[in-house]
Amino acid sequence: GENVEQHPSTLSVQEGDSAVIKCTYSDSASNYFPWYKQELGKRPQLIIDIRSNVGEKKDQRIAVTLNKTAKHFSLHITETQPEDSAVYFCAARASGGSNYKLTFGKGTLLTVNP
Amino acid sequence: GAGVSQSPSNKVTEKGKDVELRCDPISGHTALYWYRQSLGQGLEFLIYFQGNSAPDKSGLPSDRFSAERTGGSVSTLTIQRTQQEDSAVYLCASVVGETQYFGPGTRLLVL
Repeated sequence: GENVEQHPSTLSVQEGDSAVIKCTYSDSASNYFPWYKQELGKRPQLIIDIRSNVGEKKDQRIAVTLNKTAKHFSLHITETQPEDSAVYFCAARASGGSNYKLTFGKGTLLTVNP
Repeated sequence: GAGVSQSPSNKVTEKGKDVELRCDPISGHTALYWYRQSLGQGLEFLIYFQGNSAPDKSGLPSDRFSAERTGGSVSTLTIQRTQQEDSAVYLCASVVGETQYFGPGTRLLVL
């Protein structure tokens, strides 16, 4: 089955700096890669996703890049703000009909220091 | 309408007791997922429902875990003879397109 590795497990940056979180996946058939943000005590919420026919996607201060050959994808947050502090999870989904099962990385705790 | 809801929000139980966790998905969503999140871990897939059937139960950790869904809506996850290692947050998600929308979770503590 799919295996997703996520690094780093913790990341501390100064407000205004950039943050990068990287994930690798094992199943070359995976074609959908979402990123979720989970604030303390709250539910995971989708912040951005990318499909395998796209190499990069941006949404304001957030961007995701995908390298299918190397089987890795990354989340980039620019101009970080304290409210960006949360746990971020990457995930991968293999094409499989109507089953949208996601395999998640173990998460990255991002702390943005004012 | 409302998002995904789950109940109870917290559950404390004694080892060996059975617990039942409930998920109310977004109305009209036919696909529903259950995940388990242990402290400091990612989300571990448990089971997937399409309508009332469960084509993928591959993530259920043992035969103490079962789930059902009736009427294509509410789902219940049952854990029998709970063990301390069952302590975790249990999350359900319903799907529109490819996006999974999570409920707030049930925090289960087995003493």
